[in-house]
Amino acid sequence: KQEVTQIPAALSVPEGENLVLNCSFTDSAIYNLQWFRQDPGKGLTSLLLIQSSQREQTSGRLNASLDKSSGRSTLYIAASQPGDSATYLCAVSSYSGAGSYQLTFGKGTKLSVIP
Amino acid sequence: DTGVSQNPRHKITKRGQNVTFRCDPISEHNRLYWYRQTLGQGPEFLTYFQNEAQLEKSRLLSDRFSAERPKGSFSTLEIQRTEQGDSAMYLCASSLAKGGDTGELFFGEGSRLTVL
Repeated sequence: KQEVTQIPAALSVPEGENLVLNCSFTDSAIYNLQWFRQDPGKGLTSLLLIQSSQREQTSGRLNASLDKSSGRSTLYIAASQPGDSATYLCAVSSYSGAGSYQLTFGKGTKLSVIP
Repeated sequence: DTGVSQNPRHKITKRGQNVTFRCDPISEHNRLYWYRQTLGQGPEFLTYFQNEAQLEKSRLLSDRFSAERPKGSFSTLEIQRTEQGDSAMYLCASSLAKGGDTGELFFGEGSRLTVL
């Protein structure tokens, strides 16, 4: 069974700092990995999708890397802003054992960017 | 707005009542997923549809839960005889996918259920 772990559970940084969020998964046989952002009481916003054949994806100040063989991904946020404060969730698409792939989520990292 | 839409956004009900949530996916997406999220946890998979066919159900989906996607468009998730443990955020997502892959999922704002 796929398990996804995100470290740290919470992170507080001053505005302007660069930061890294970590995600690890137990089964390296994944199809893709997706990073999401979730604001309190809201749904999930897709940030980046990395296919298993890719090493990284970039969108603006965000860069996500994938090392499938070691079961790790990182989300790098450059020049953090107070508006980046949210919970960041990592999810991997892997075989569910019931004939299809399924997205398994970590518990998230709660980020606070202090002005 | 062409994103995933969920209704109602909030539902407060008494234990034992039935509730129904609706999800309207992105129009061209063939896959529709239901997830449940409790406070401090990541979303947990409940079920998914490929067009109108329900292809997989989680063990979390007890007999009190039923989901439909008639005509492969919107979907409903009904919970019968609600229990306090059903209190959670119910999230719907859609994707355009081929084969067994999930594709890139796009989520709605969720429907928060509180069972008193």
